[in-house]
Amino acid sequence: LAKTTQPISMDSYEGQEVNITCSHNNIATNDYITWYQQFPSQGPRFIIQGYKTKVTNEVASLFIPADRKSSTLSLPRVSLSDTAVYYCLVGVHSSASKIIFGSGTRLSIRP
Amino acid sequence: EPEVTQTPSHQVTQMGQEVILRCVPISNHLYFYWYRQILGQKVEFLVSFYNNEISEKSEIFDDQFSVERPDGSNFTLKIRSTKLEDSAMYFCASSPGPGTSSYNSPLHFGNGTRLTVT
Repeated sequence: LAKTTQPISMDSYEGQEVNITCSHNNIATNDYITWYQQFPSQGPRFIIQGYKTKVTNEVASLFIPADRKSSTLSLPRVSLSDTAVYYCLVGVHSSASKIIFGSGTRLSIRP
Repeated sequence: EPEVTQTPSHQVTQMGQEVILRCVPISNHLYFYWYRQILGQKVEFLVSFYNNEISEKSEIFDDQFSVERPDGSNFTLKIRSTKLEDSAMYFCASSPGPGTSSYNSPLHFGNGTRLTVT
């Protein structure tokens, strides 16, 4: 899987929009970009996945520029419950492959 | 929504003892995984499993570890002789296999088993 780089931590306040950017300069043609969220003492939870341009679901939006060398997870109007670690993964999950998590971004939301 | 379930939620064992961690993946999934997370550290890949055999494993997954799918529903991780450094959260995950509509299906994780080796 392509190596990813994310900020180690971010802080924000309730009601704000939070954007977490992930760099993946070596992304391959077939790679997808997948984001997971992890709360303390829980397993990672899938948030959103995309290949190019923009993807939006009920939780977040994912912006992917044309060169696909980076992506931005956007969380609209965060609340205290969005405090978690967010992981960006790049690759193809089409087989039982070695899917590696990086260190993630620890997002802290304050009142 | 179907989910991956893991038992027990917490297991305490003495060093040198064998432990078996159990997982029930989502019923129509075909790819299975074990990960571990030492307190305060990142999620580490251990092993992936498909068609009743290991597909990939990490350097952590040495001879002390084994996985098995003994029946149509359970997926187990066995640690033969536990060490203090095996203390961690162990997460099971599953994803749909080939032939599904989603070529790049994400992983579905259970809530983990906290293993404490004393």
